[in-house]
Amino acid sequence: GQNIDQPTEMTATEGAIVQINCTYQTSGFNGLFWYQQHAGEAPTFLSYNVLDGLEEKGRFSSFLSRSKGYSYLLLKELQMKDSASYLCAVRWGSTLGRLYFGRGTQLTVWP
Amino acid sequence: DVKVTQSSRYLVKRTGEKVFLECVQDMDHENMFWYRQDPGLGLRLIYFSYDVKMKEKGDIPEGYSVSREKKERFSLILESASTNQTSMYLCASSLPPRANEQFFGPGTRLTVL
Repeated sequence: GQNIDQPTEMTATEGAIVQINCTYQTSGFNGLFWYQQHAGEAPTFLSYNVLDGLEEKGRFSSFLSRSKGYSYLLLKELQMKDSASYLCAVRWGSTLGRLYFGRGTQLTVWP
Repeated sequence: DVKVTQSSRYLVKRTGEKVFLECVQDMDHENMFWYRQDPGLGLRLIYFSYDVKMKEKGDIPEGYSVSREKKERFSLILESASTNQTSMYLCASSLPPRANEQFFGPGTRLTVL
């Protein structure tokens, strides 16, 4: 199956750093995506990894280890507006662009 | 600016009604998707389409059908709405074949009474 695991909830304080982990089945792996979703809104794209290593984009970074079936999203200098659900999604094989989504990690940032 | 629009933000229907949810994208994307999102279950794929008149079942197609007569429009149809279809419905589109991003519409909150 296409199991994707990520923590259900996390909390952190403003200005801190938080790391949201995601693990997935390695067979046929063909790309990993992170999305942010604020309550009542649509998901918006944050990052894409297909090769091992770290991709940095401002305060957000995403890391991938293909051999371990592991990714993380790193959020630095947390702000209240970062309170949202973070979705890990994986593409396997040539699945016509289809993505499989994890259940999301609800991040709450406290002042 | 990329745009995916959905016909309604909120919809209330009665059990047994036929319901149409419309999605339109203006990015000339081949791929279009319909998801439902429920608390604790995440995003689940209902159907997707990779070309006009083409469709593929996702993980939960039962009780739904789709129509793609034009490239920009992808419709989700609930033939006979039931209370367990109360949910948030999200449409998305992307470019094939190695699409790096799906663009989502704002969602339709459907309540079936």
